[in-house]
Amino acid sequence: KQEVTQIPAALSVPEGENLVLNCSFTDSAIYNLQWFRQDPGKGLTSLLLIQSSQREQTSGRLNASLDKSSGRSTLYIAASQPGDSATYLCAVRMAYKYIFGTGTRLKVLA
Amino acid sequence: DVKVTQSSRYLVKRTGEKVFLECVQDMDHENMFWYRQDPGLGLRLIYFSYDVKMKEKGDIPEGYSVSREKKERFSLILESASTNQTSMYLCASSSSVGPIFGPGTRLTVL
Repeated sequence: KQEVTQIPAALSVPEGENLVLNCSFTDSAIYNLQWFRQDPGKGLTSLLLIQSSQREQTSGRLNASLDKSSGRSTLYIAASQPGDSATYLCAVRMAYKYIFGTGTRLKVLA
Repeated sequence: DVKVTQSSRYLVKRTGEKVFLECVQDMDHENMFWYRQDPGLGLRLIYFSYDVKMKEKGDIPEGYSVSREKKERFSLILESASTNQTSMYLCASSSSVGPIFGPGTRLTVL
């Protein structure tokens, strides 16, 4: 059974720092991996999607990498800002289903 | 602007009541999903549907049922609400760029 783990569960950093969020999964037979952002009390917003054949995707200050063989993905956030404060979740797609990690709660201090 | 809408943002019900949560998407997507999200447990899949009148159980279907009579609408039904069903409920529909989520319904069962 696929399990998705995110470490750390919470992170607090000063504004301007570069940071890395980690996601690991136990079954490498995935279609793709996706990173989401969730603001308190809201739904999820997609940030980046990496197909299983790809190694990384970039959007603005965000860069996500995927190492399928080792079951790992990282989300790199450059020059963090207070507006980046949110919970970040990764999810892997297995056939029809998406399996989510429990998220990393990020707080960027001004 | 494409979207997924959910019928209520906040809902308070009493134990034993029958509860309907509605989800509508305007993107002509085949696949739709219901998740619940609880602190420390992440998003857990309740049911999903890959076509009209077709449904599959997710990881935690007990106490829930679903209905998909039209492609754009996917309903989650709590047959007899219990306090352990107090949670945030998230609906999503799936595209080639991954699931698109609604804003969520915060359900409290007293």
